[in-house]
Amino acid sequence: LAKTTQPISMDSYEGQEVNITCSHNNIATNDYITWYQQFPSQGPRFIIQGYKTKVTNEVASLFIPADRKSSTLSLPRVSLSDTAVYYCLVGDNFGNEKLTFGTGTRLTIIP
Amino acid sequence: DGGITQSPKYLFRKEGQNVTLSCEQNLNHDAMYWYRQDPGQGLRLIYYSQIVNDFQKGDIAEGYSVSREKKESFPLTVTSAQKNPTAFYLCASRAGTSSYNEQFFGPGTRLTVL
Repeated sequence: LAKTTQPISMDSYEGQEVNITCSHNNIATNDYITWYQQFPSQGPRFIIQGYKTKVTNEVASLFIPADRKSSTLSLPRVSLSDTAVYYCLVGDNFGNEKLTFGTGTRLTIIP
Repeated sequence: DGGITQSPKYLFRKEGQNVTLSCEQNLNHDAMYWYRQDPGQGLRLIYYSQIVNDFQKGDIAEGYSVSREKKESFPLTVTSAQKNPTAFYLCASRAGTSSYNEQFFGPGTRLTVL
């Protein structure tokens, strides 16, 4: 399983763009990169997933460089409701069920 | 509404007692998971099941047991052998093992051992 490294915490002001980077130096060829968001006392929820280059949905963008050894979750114009823990997961979707959640990045949005 | 339900939301038990946490899904998902989360920590995998009547140990299975007799149900029993059972327990499910199969999580059960 590819190990991931993320910053423990980040602060940002409302309205700014926030970028959270995840390192996964030993990512395997079949691995996808998935980000989840978790609010206190709730289960995580899926934000975005990608394999290479750039993926964008209504919530966020995910940038993956050519070597795939890192990825960056980008949240545009954050609000107070984006205060949460964000997890980066790297895993093989083709049979490897042991997706590992690290400690994540605690993002605090400041008014 | 489709989704995952966990019950109860809060659970208290006396030291030395076994307790079973419920997890039900109506998403017709094949795979189901149990995680444990301690304060300020990430999620740690306890057990997972890819198909009915089959399950595998995760990273911290000691002191826990599961069953998967039905596709929609994956109960977790916290036994008296679990030394530090007080934690937030999360159940999740996933459609299968092909790409883009996100995990859907239940609301969690907070277990406190008195």
